[in-house]
Amino acid sequence: EVQLVESGGGLVQFGGSLRLSCAASGFTFSSYWMSWVRQAPGKGLEWVANIKQDGSEKYYVDSVKGRFTISRDNAKNSLYLQMNSLRAEDTAMYYCAREVRGGNLDYWGQGTLVTVSS
Amino acid sequence: DIQMTQSPSSVSASVGDRVTITCRASQGISSWLAWYQQKPGKAPKLLIYAVSSLQSGVPSRFSGSGSGTDFTLTISSLQPEDFATYYCQQANSFPYTFGQGTKLEIK
Repeated sequence: EVQLVESGGGLVQFGGSLRLSCAASGFTFSSYWMSWVRQAPGKGLEWVANIKQDGSEKYYVDSVKGRFTISRDNAKNSLYLQMNSLRAEDTAMYYCAREVRGGNLDYWGQGTLVTVSS
Repeated sequence: DIQMTQSPSSVSASVGDRVTITCRASQGISSWLAWYQQKPGKAPKLLIYAVSSLQSGVPSRFSGSGSGTDFTLTISSLQPEDFATYYCQQANSFPYTFGQGTKLEIK
């Protein structure tokens, strides 16, 4: 059974940093692109970033470029999102998701909540 | 960035009704269009990919169509478990973008 379990969320101050993790199981993690998607409270979905199977390609939404870094450790079946210079507008539930067939997100974790506040 | 615009933003319907949700892209996205269903407090679920391909396990009352910039999601006969929010998503180019969502409510 495919499982994605996020962790690392919490309350952080403006300008602070946080590192999210996503532990994958039930599939060959190293064979898939992986994405992070976020959802602000009561709002819609926003794709944040993704990473190729070997980590050689990474893409970001403009609003996080230069502040967030996506990475992965295939030996540990884990996906990460390093978030720096956090802003109020980064407050959201963050989901990791597996990509298939070019951008389709077929499995999602349960999410981890990030709250940025003073 | 490609903008995805869904309509309506919300719709009320009854069990057994046929419902159609539309999604318009700001530029052509070929067949790189997917639909997701999200229930409160839950992660989204992939329903349809490549415009019209049904994800494994998704009931056949869900269908998708369209091309270029205009796409539709149709639920042929609403069931109680279908009341949720639906999102379209383009994967033609980075950044991937989602529509703003359509909330399907019980009439």
